[in-house]
Amino acid sequence: NAGVTQTPKFQVLKTGQSMTLQCAQDMNHEYMSWYRQDPGMGLRLIHYSVGAGITDQGEVPNGYNVSRSTTEDFPLRLLSAAPSQTSVYFCASSLQGRPLNTEAFFGQGTRLTVV
Amino acid sequence: AQSVTQPDIHITVSEGASLELRCNYSYGATPYLFWYVQSPGQGLQLLLKYFSGDTLVQGIKGFEAEFKRSQSSFNLRKPSVHWSDAAEYFCAVGINDYKLSFGAGTTVTVRA
Repeated sequence: NAGVTQTPKFQVLKTGQSMTLQCAQDMNHEYMSWYRQDPGMGLRLIHYSVGAGITDQGEVPNGYNVSRSTTEDFPLRLLSAAPSQTSVYFCASSLQGRPLNTEAFFGQGTRLTVV
Repeated sequence: AQSVTQPDIHITVSEGASLELRCNYSYGATPYLFWYVQSPGQGLQLLLKYFSGDTLVQGIKGFEAEFKRSQSSFNLRKPSVHWSDAAEYFCAVGINDYKLSFGAGTTVTVRA
């Protein structure tokens, strides 16, 4: 059972380039989310989805787009990368959205550097 | 606004010694509290969680945490640390049905 799979693991982008971070889960989880992790700031929620076709913004959504066309996949798109988006990105999923009911499973992260 | 504070950025502990990691939260309602561990180069793994009931919660890997409403704290403890416990630890609070708010994390170094 693969769990939550993120690709790529590492990426270097030039300022202004676009790219998509992939996230896939094979646990049939309804809820998926993207976080970024920066030193001294913990994890901050970028976007989340409570099911296919439904997405919403987290606390730091600017510069990122998401879509959820299937239950399994939740890609994160950077339209025009900026150095401020240099970070480690984590995708997470849980059976239901409510954290009081379920555990969030995290991928291994994507380390993104924007130069 | 909801917030989670982990006062200690870095803790060094000897193998076999006890460990306590502090977590304070600011939240208006009854909180749902979590501790996650992140080993180097890995994602986050849930250690334990508190929803209600017994304020002393047992988790995996020999960890426990105690919820103290009067102090707005949810400190993580382990009686005897192993070298494999070297990692970064995050406290988090569920601030509504869908969102987790994380603390900045505490890095634990274990010395032989």
